[in-house]
Amino acid sequence: DAKTTQPPSMDCAEGRAANLPCNHSTISGNEYVYWYRQIHSQGPQYIIHGLKNNETNEMASLIITEDRKSSTLILPHATLRDTAVYYCIVRVARFGPGTRLSVLP
Amino acid sequence: GAVVSQHPSRVICKSGTSVKIECRSLDFQATTMFWYRQFPKQSLMLMATSNEGSKATYEQGVEKDKFLINHASLTLSTLTVTSAHPEDSSFYICSARGASGRNYNEQFFGPGTRLTVL
Repeated sequence: DAKTTQPPSMDCAEGRAANLPCNHSTISGNEYVYWYRQIHSQGPQYIIHGLKNNETNEMASLIITEDRKSSTLILPHATLRDTAVYYCIVRVARFGPGTRLSVLP
Repeated sequence: GAVVSQHPSRVICKSGTSVKIECRSLDFQATTMFWYRQFPKQSLMLMATSNEGSKATYEQGVEKDKFLINHASLTLSTLTVTSAHPEDSSFYICSARGASGRNYNEQFFGPGTRLTVL
């Protein structure tokens, strides 16, 4: 039980912002929201995580709703190399199906 | 971020043989390591969780006698696929987690091992 729901796939134009949603309506008060991505045939790569405040790093921004039941990962200027499967995780080590993001030229 | 390595990156073996995959945390002490299996176009499926110095906890449906996990030190865990068969062909990924701190739940992933059983 991954406890998260994500759209199976999304497309984004190169250079535009990619907004990837995640629903985690049963998240517990002490559970963090983690985002990873996996490029084909590689191990997952950490992107960002947060508890209740919005977070930003060099890769992305994470927006968490006030009730913490959903979040959005934002890649501000998507490139072709951002094409990957993106996973939102709230329960340690449990991966859902993720979102397959295709960045199109 | 912390670095986790896996060896080998690829292995091809004959049916009935055993294969050992190593997972090492190179620059931190991993109190917990996770082993995953991933089939094409599917998500990562957690196989087992191992804590240093204790027996691994296997997920439902994973045969502990077939997938032997050893986590004898804070930097090394091994997965042995015993009597491998073609249906065991998959991409095996390990991840490691540190002992405590703000990033306690952050997992550091290895690059994966592609196992092909002929």
